[in-house]
Amino acid sequence: EAEVAQSPRYKITEKSQAVAFWCDPISGHATLYWYRQILGQGPELLVQFQDESVVDDSQLPKDRFSAERLKGVDSTLKIQPAELGDSAMYLCASSLGLAGAYEQYFGPGTRLTVT
Amino acid sequence: DQQVKQNSPSLSVQEGRISILNCDYTNSMFDYFLWYKKYPAEGPTFLISISSIKDKNEDGRFTVFLNKSAKHLSLHIVPSQPGDSAVYFCAASAGYQGAQKLVFGQGTRLTINP
Repeated sequence: EAEVAQSPRYKITEKSQAVAFWCDPISGHATLYWYRQILGQGPELLVQFQDESVVDDSQLPKDRFSAERLKGVDSTLKIQPAELGDSAMYLCASSLGLAGAYEQYFGPGTRLTVT
Repeated sequence: DQQVKQNSPSLSVQEGRISILNCDYTNSMFDYFLWYKKYPAEGPTFLISISSIKDKNEDGRFTVFLNKSAKHLSLHIVPSQPGDSAVYFCAASAGYQGAQKLVFGQGTRLTINP
């Protein structure tokens, strides 16, 4: 069964350092999402791509976060510099991006700890 | 502004009985609703969904009910099994050119007791 791949699974970094997360969506899925989940809360959308274009980054803290999906396939989310409040689970999801295909499929996530 | 709310942080149910998880929403533009299940250290797994044109959708042991007038949906699991112990999230989307942004509730931790 096709899955969304993410790496690394765990990352510990010191504040003010740069971190990067990678996501490979299910093959053929045009839409890719990055969510952040803080402990005890539901996932919150950071950025959404349709192919290589950003369609929603309204909740992305653009002073420190950046995301790209250069060839419309895999994607990288970067934080620079990391802050203590960035400690969370970062989830990548993908979907077909077609009308009626609403289900999003999630990867295992990257657990970030900023010290 | 919490548009999707799961007011019960936890629920404990005896094995074999029915589990009922509840979710309320405030945005009347939401037209599709989903339930996800999450085990520790894993990403959420899609369980079941329902369109706003329906009031019930069933898949095996899982049934989702939607009450649009009350802006309320619920997930019924019957019979409950130990493997159902997990955190359950409801999510809603408002439709956007086929690419759906999901708004999640806070989650309910379900524990099935033997």
